[in-house]
Amino acid sequence: DTAVSQTPKYLVTQMGNDKSIKCEQNLGHDTMYWYKQDSKKFLKIMFSYNNKELIINETVPNRFSPKSPDKAHLNLHINSLELGDSAVYFCASSPSLTGPQHFGDGTRLSIL
Amino acid sequence: AQSVSQHNHHVILSEAASLELGCNYSYGGTVNLFWYVQYPGQHLQLLLKYFSGDPLVKGIKGFEAEFIKSKFSFNLRKPSVQWSDTAEYFCAVIGSMDTGRRALTFGSGTRLQVQP
Repeated sequence: DTAVSQTPKYLVTQMGNDKSIKCEQNLGHDTMYWYKQDSKKFLKIMFSYNNKELIINETVPNRFSPKSPDKAHLNLHINSLELGDSAVYFCASSPSLTGPQHFGDGTRLSIL
Repeated sequence: AQSVSQHNHHVILSEAASLELGCNYSYGGTVNLFWYVQYPGQHLQLLLKYFSGDPLVKGIKGFEAEFIKSKFSFNLRKPSVQWSDTAEYFCAVIGSMDTGRRALTFGSGTRLQVQP
C-alpha cells in the first residue's frame, strides 16, 4: 500500500490554465506538507497543515491555494499557471510537526 | 532563521571508496536532524534521523551520521559505497521546540555519483 500518494504523476498544461494536484496519506499522520523542487533539485516548503489547520504558508504566490478536506488529504490548486511554476511538487506527511516526513512520488508539472 | 549548508554539490567516487558528505546548520536552539536520499526519478526517502541521545546514528543501507553540537554539523558517512548509492542526498533540520519554525529546512543537496 502506498503511504503517501499524489496524482497525477505528470501534468503538462498551458500557461494560464488552472490545475489541481491531489495528495492522500494512509499513515494516520496529523501533519501534511507541500514542497516544490526546482530544476536544480532545491527543495522548498510551500505549505504545512496540522490537523487540517494551516500552519505554514511560505512566500508563495496566492495563485497557489491548498485545501485540506480532512487530515488524510491535502490538495494543491494552482490558478493561472506560469512558466516558472514548472517543477516537481512533493506532498509529504509526518506524525508530528517535528517528526520524520514521508514523501509522495512527486508530480512533475510542465508548463508549455 | 534556520539554514542548512551542504558544501559538496557533486561528489564522484569509485565503488568501495569511503564517503563523507558535509552538513552544517544554523539554528539558535535544539534541533532534529535528518538525511534524506532521492534516487533518480524517485521520491525522497529517510536515511536516518537524530533527535537526541547518542550523537552517532545509524541508518539504512549502511549509512551513519554524527551530530557534533559544537560544530553545528551532521555529516553523513558510509565506509564503502556501491554503484546503487548514486543519488541526491539532502540534509534537513527542524527546530525541536514548539516555538521553532515548524517545517523542515533542506540543504541544497549533494549529488553522489558512484562509478563502477
